[in-house]
Amino acid sequence: TQLLEQSPQFLSIQEGENLTVYCNSSSVFSSLQWYRQEPGEGPVLLVTVVTGGEVKKLKRLTFQFGDARKDSSLHITAAQPGDTGLYLCAGDQGGSEKLVFGKGTKLTVNP
Amino acid sequence: GAVVSQHPSRVICKSGTSVKIECRSLDFQATTMFWYRQFPKKSLMLMATSNEGSKATYEQGVEKDKFLINHASLTLSTLTVTSAHPEDSSFYICSVGSGRTSTDTQYFGPGTRLTVL
Repeated sequence: TQLLEQSPQFLSIQEGENLTVYCNSSSVFSSLQWYRQEPGEGPVLLVTVVTGGEVKKLKRLTFQFGDARKDSSLHITAAQPGDTGLYLCAGDQGGSEKLVFGKGTKLTVNP
Repeated sequence: GAVVSQHPSRVICKSGTSVKIECRSLDFQATTMFWYRQFPKKSLMLMATSNEGSKATYEQGVEKDKFLINHASLTLSTLTVTSAHPEDSSFYICSVGSGRTSTDTQYFGPGTRLTVL
């Protein structure tokens, strides 16, 4: 079973559109991280959220950590082709000392 | 953050041969490095934690005799896939850890695409 479920699995949109991708779990995490990975490259950390209800903004990207610390969302405003990539969430359960990754959402932004 | 390189970026080998992948930390003394494997449409899976000067810690289900890890210096860890088979074809990614576990901040390398024919 997958500890972290990401949805949608694939998303193809036009430049300028807004989108939201989700990272859900039935487990509580002490923190959640979001990464973007481009084809043939390693993941690059975008943000870490640690407090339930926390909202962090990174330019056009808005990250939210659920109040119960079981889920997170990433909202992109006015998407650009440069936002294309695989968005991965990863969670720290606290006691496991191991970061667990979701399968990712593959985003394509068409010009 | 740390700058991490991997070599080679892609390799194609015949079944039964061994392949060595290098992971270098260019500007950070890496006591701990991590090796991951990523299959298409699958999560990034931690294979092992590489500790400088000591034996690597392997995750459950990962054969330590098949995936040999050597971390002889603070800047270099190597992963050798021994007697490679087509099912070992995958994207192998290393990371440099800021702490001793994967929950501490990691800096990922660009990955190595292994194709076993």
